[in-house]
Amino acid sequence: EPEVTQTPSHQVTQMGQEVILRCVPISNHLYFYWYRQILGQKVEFLVSFYNNEISEKSEIFDDQFSVERPDGSNFTLKIRSTKLEDSAMYFCASSANAGSIQETQYFGPGTRLLVL
Amino acid sequence: AQTVTQSQPEMSVQEAETVTLSCTYDTSESDYYLFWYKQPPSRQMILVIRQEAYKQQNATENRFSVNFQKAAKSFSLKISDSQLGDAAMYFCAYRSRHTGANSKLTFGKGITLSVRP
Repeated sequence: EPEVTQTPSHQVTQMGQEVILRCVPISNHLYFYWYRQILGQKVEFLVSFYNNEISEKSEIFDDQFSVERPDGSNFTLKIRSTKLEDSAMYFCASSANAGSIQETQYFGPGTRLLVL
Repeated sequence: AQTVTQSQPEMSVQEAETVTLSCTYDTSESDYYLFWYKQPPSRQMILVIRQEAYKQQNATENRFSVNFQKAAKSFSLKISDSQLGDAAMYFCAYRSRHTGANSKLTFGKGITLSVRP
């Protein structure tokens, strides 16, 4: 069964450094999402992406964040200058269709980001 | 804005018994979807069951069923004949029923379910 993959599984970085989290969505999916979960808190929506542009973003997704689909298979989340509060589990998800109940968002296993 | 609340952080059930996980939500919308996702220790979040708000019939999926009370804004998950593999974190989630790209999920905080052999 096809699945969403994410790399790396863990990332440790110094505050102020740039990080790129990578995701390979399911191949025929058109809609892509990033969510994050700070330890002990809710899973929160960051951004959705369709047709090579951002469809919606939350207030968390400020100018330090960007997303890209550089090559038709990868979907990346970049944090330009990491802060301590960016430490979280980051989940990528993809779906075939955004508007139908038939659409299911399939999640990757997550990347655990730790900012020191 | 919609909110989803899972007030029980942890629950435990004996293998083969039945357990119910609670979820409440708040929305001003009349049409939406509700989901339960399971996240086992391997971390991949998997859809367990979904419910369309306009349907009165409760969704069922094998051993999993929901009790959807729209007026009370309650959406509980019942797991029958619990198995060791059901041990996981369970998330309740809400999605507005809009077409197009406005399909983000709003999650509850999750509940950790343990299954005793």
